[in-house]
Amino acid sequence: DIQMTQSPSSLSASVGDRVTLTCRASQGISDYLAWYQQTPGTVPKLLIYAASTLMSKVPSRFSGSGSGTDFTLTISNLQPEDVATYYCQEYHSAPLNFGGGTKVEIK
Amino acid sequence: QVQLQESGPRLVKPAGTLSLTCTVSGASIDGDNWWNWVRQPPGKGLEWIGETSHSGSTNYNPSLRSRVTISVDKSKNQFSLRLRSVSAADTAVYYCARGVDYLDYWGQGTLVTVSS
Repeated sequence: DIQMTQSPSSLSASVGDRVTLTCRASQGISDYLAWYQQTPGTVPKLLIYAASTLMSKVPSRFSGSGSGTDFTLTISNLQPEDVATYYCQEYHSAPLNFGGGTKVEIK
Repeated sequence: QVQLQESGPRLVKPAGTLSLTCTVSGASIDGDNWWNWVRQPPGKGLEWIGETSHSGSTNYNPSLRSRVTISVDKSKNQFSLRLRSVSAADTAVYYCARGVDYLDYWGQGTLVTVSS
């Protein structure tokens, strides 16, 4: 099984800040990585797949990068509506594995 | 527009069987996509349960494999989850979702509580 580790588990930043979330795989997964956003009380929403490809209608302040074992999700110009928990998920092979999540809050 | 909707009992007794159905609209279940179940215990993260193809091929999370069955009913455009021998640890919001690799459409989720 591939283990996905996200860091930090939570962070607090100011509106307008640039925020970087990290996801690490226990073995190489190429770019088979997705990022989801789950705002409080809602369904997870797919933001990014193939490590860096934005889903349609996702604001351009979100970006993803990485390959192999280390990945990042960056939110430039953090907005109040970005308060959420962000999960990474690998799809290199079944079973699919999610990271534990990073909770993003506004200072 | 693709929509998924979970249905089934919200309360299951310990040692019983949890059964949920996901009804798909706006897309045919008889295609290239796979159809997934994901759960989220209250206040915790996401756990992938398993998936089925339109032909009934399945993959399961090894941690649940001995208790899980996922099946598909193409005539109703539905797929289903059965989880046997449940305990309080299986209390969670259960989501159905579409995706071969990443999950692009999700149901609203249904909270299933295991309690006597």
